[in-house]
Amino acid sequence: AAGVIQSPRHLIKEKRETATLKCYPIPRHDTVYWYQQGPGQDPQFLISFYEKMQSDKGSIPDRFSAQQFSDYHSELNMSSLELGDSALYFCASSELLTQDRNTEAFFGQGTRLTVV
Amino acid sequence: GENVEQHPSTLSVQEGDSAVIKCTYSDSASNYFPWYKQELGKGPQLIIDIRSNVGEKKDQRIAVTLNKTAKHFSLHITETQPEDSAVYFCAASSLGSARQLTFGSGTQLTVLP
Repeated sequence: AAGVIQSPRHLIKEKRETATLKCYPIPRHDTVYWYQQGPGQDPQFLISFYEKMQSDKGSIPDRFSAQQFSDYHSELNMSSLELGDSALYFCASSELLTQDRNTEAFFGQGTRLTVV
Repeated sequence: GENVEQHPSTLSVQEGDSAVIKCTYSDSASNYFPWYKQELGKGPQLIIDIRSNVGEKKDQRIAVTLNKTAKHFSLHITETQPEDSAVYFCAASSLGSARQLTFGSGTQLTVLP
């Protein structure tokens, strides 16, 4: 079965550079979530999109932005990178979770961003 | 916002024993509680979930219980095997919207052969 695809898997950037992470959700999933996971930490919610519109916002820095495109893939744009941005970035997708649907949020394998 | 606390942070058990991980949540509006298993370098993988209209759910060696009054839910793994060793995260969310999952801090489970 198709899973959530993230690219690239690994990325090394220098301070103050820009990075773009991509997420391709499972077909027919209309909701995408972005999470940041530091070493030894739990995933922290950044932002989510439902039907191409931002639906919820978490601890996403102003230097970051994201969008969901007409084909439902999503991109996380990170500018003025700092050393502290080094982390695993996960994308998850789901159908809209409701009481009537037995669905779940599927996570991708993540992008490991290293800022040097 | 939601706050999820998870205990213990590390847990070592002998192969064949049971493991229990506990979580509490703060937002009474939360009604969906998944558990994820994360292996090194991989994304979290859902292993079981429970909704607030159910008190207990079981899937082979894994079970989850929910006490809505106490805002408490637990993961039970029986007959543990070395391949169960991983970091386990509990999470809470609300159904009916694209609300994010709020994760607990994780439990590193080690099953000793």
